[in-house]
Amino acid sequence: DAGITQSPRYKITETGRQVTLMCHQTWSHSYMFWYRQDLGHGLRLIYYSAAADITDKGEVPDGYVVSRSKTENFPLTLESATRSQTSVYFCASSESYGGAFYNEQFFGPGTRLTVL
Amino acid sequence: DQQVKQNSPSLSVQEGRISILNCDYTNSMFDYFLWYKKYPAEGPTFLISISSIKDKNEDGRFTVFLNKSAKHLSLHIVPSQPGDSAVYFCAASAGNQFYFGTGTSLTVIP
Repeated sequence: DAGITQSPRYKITETGRQVTLMCHQTWSHSYMFWYRQDLGHGLRLIYYSAAADITDKGEVPDGYVVSRSKTENFPLTLESATRSQTSVYFCASSESYGGAFYNEQFFGPGTRLTVL
Repeated sequence: DQQVKQNSPSLSVQEGRISILNCDYTNSMFDYFLWYKKYPAEGPTFLISISSIKDKNEDGRFTVFLNKSAKHLSLHIVPSQPGDSAVYFCAASAGNQFYFGTGTSLTVIP
């Protein structure tokens, strides 16, 4: 599929379990991002990546781990899920002109994660 | 501590009229601002942006105004159409800092 895809689209897990959300983009964009969307908070940046093997923390990184071994993939792992991590997670990608946050970001369709 | 605020959670407008969505920010270092639109069960899509060196940017029916002294930006949609009904997020960036607002749900009534 062309564009940016996320899998799974829906996930239910239990407290303490590890879960990985996948993100794949076909544009060869340099930057990739992970956000969570919660009522009353809008979208908050979790982690972002400027290129393969380069990642940086966003506003709410605690409890999350990311990796980027290939330009097109940017998985997000919750090592020990907690109920407070119940949310909708969005992955995005963008070009690199001018810096990480000065370009249009293209978002995936989201993953709805429920932690019981 | 919300650095980008959208104080109106919802807005209803008649079709054909102007929609004005507002956004306030606290960090004077923000130098680039964007608006995104989001439909239910989809990811946000980019709408329009503005650099802090400008006070207005226009793209078709969409115009963004920036008032740096008031730390305020607004998105004007003229004329509003039913397909514009969505949640609108403003966002602001400064170097490696990037924040979204909480969103305003716009309903355009036919």
